[in-house]
Amino acid sequence: DTEVTQTPKHLVMGMTNKKSLKCEQHMGHRAMYWYKQKAKKPPELMFVYSYEKLSINESVPSRFSPECPNSSLLNLHLHALQPEDSALYLCASSQERGDPYEQYFGPGTRLTVT
Amino acid sequence: RKEVEQDPGPFNVPEGATVAFNCTYSNSASQSFFWYRQDCRKEPKLLMSVYSSGNEDGRFTAQLNRASQYISLLIRDSKLSDSATYLCVVRNQGGKLIFGQGTELSVKP
Repeated sequence: DTEVTQTPKHLVMGMTNKKSLKCEQHMGHRAMYWYKQKAKKPPELMFVYSYEKLSINESVPSRFSPECPNSSLLNLHLHALQPEDSALYLCASSQERGDPYEQYFGPGTRLTVT
Repeated sequence: RKEVEQDPGPFNVPEGATVAFNCTYSNSASQSFFWYRQDCRKEPKLLMSVYSSGNEDGRFTAQLNRASQYISLLIRDSKLSDSATYLCVVRNQGGKLIFGQGTELSVKP
């Protein structure tokens, strides 16, 4: 079973709103990731958690705030976003960070900022 | 130069055709290589990891040439359901996945 789930599937928010994206996996994976994907572009890494600790932040603006409450859950808190932040936000997980472990993606949350 | 470069698309092929995608990577220290497919408005799905010895999964064959820093994916007997964007992915020394821009495949009846 290589399932990663994400909620919500779609989200529309105003620039003054605060919202959260949620990701869950029950594969016992110890590494979890947030990616952002714009149309016709490949996914761009935002954050990596390994053993519930933030190990990579790809210079993401502070209006995006990740949280890993436990080894199965990953949240992305959103505040004061801009219209250009509209994109598909993908969560992924892997058994461990790094080689040779494969990453599995969730279905994504399609975010529109108005 | 991009870290991972792929054939520009789109590839438009008839059902039953054989199609090959090529990819080059710039970092000779890369250790792991993958092909993902992504359907329109869906998430990337792992198609296969790529090993130095080459590997095959049904109609799909992946090859890696470390000396030339080149990865390929061959699809035989194309099906309509193979229509998707194929992403060449390389993991760098920091453990980060580096994605190519993707090659769009359209299989026509």
